[in-house]
Amino acid sequence: QKEVEQNSGPLSVPEGAIASLNCTYSDRGSQSFFWYRQYSGKSPELIMFIYSNGDKEDGRFTAQLNKASQYVSLLIRDSQPSDSATYLCAEGGGYSTLTFGKGTMLLVSP
Amino acid sequence: ETGVTQTPRHLVMGMTNKKSLKCEQHLGHNAMYWYKQSAKKPLELMFVYSLEERVENNSVPSRFSPECPNSSHLFLHLHTLQPEDSALYLCASSRETGTSGTNEQFFGPGTRLTVL
Repeated sequence: QKEVEQNSGPLSVPEGAIASLNCTYSDRGSQSFFWYRQYSGKSPELIMFIYSNGDKEDGRFTAQLNKASQYVSLLIRDSQPSDSATYLCAEGGGYSTLTFGKGTMLLVSP
Repeated sequence: ETGVTQTPRHLVMGMTNKKSLKCEQHLGHNAMYWYKQSAKKPLELMFVYSLEERVENNSVPSRFSPECPNSSHLFLHLHTLQPEDSALYLCASSRETGTSGTNEQFFGPGTRLTVL
């Protein structure tokens, strides 16, 4: 049974700070990783995906993947109150399937 | 309409009722999914359809019955549900290329289901 682990939080950061969200996964064969943002009462929204070891940057977001350590992270620079949401980590190791973590709640205070 | 749409957005039903959830994707994708999201639990994959064939049924009770008449539409037929089935039911779609590592899924707004 594949597992994706995330700290449920909440992670509290002040506005303008860097928020660091972390995720570990159990399946060494996993090849693709996704970060979704979910606002309260809304559906998940894809914000980043990463397939290769290293960093991938998109605006204020950086995804980091370390396959040797089975570790994925998401950094949010210059955090804004509008970034307050639950962030879901997911791994896609097989055809058509994703395994999700429980999510980390991020709170950005003004 | 754009993206992935779901109807109804909210549904209250008794345990003896029969109802259906509908999902439609306007993204030209060829795979569709049903997920269940309950409080304090990870998103649970229920069913996967790829090219209108069901490729996964994740040990879901038979009181949930999916239907995929074409690549744009997906239904979840519900009957004799239990109160513990109350949850947010999310539909998603993706473009599958037949290779692993490419599986960006896009979600609809969900149906909030309450079973009395």
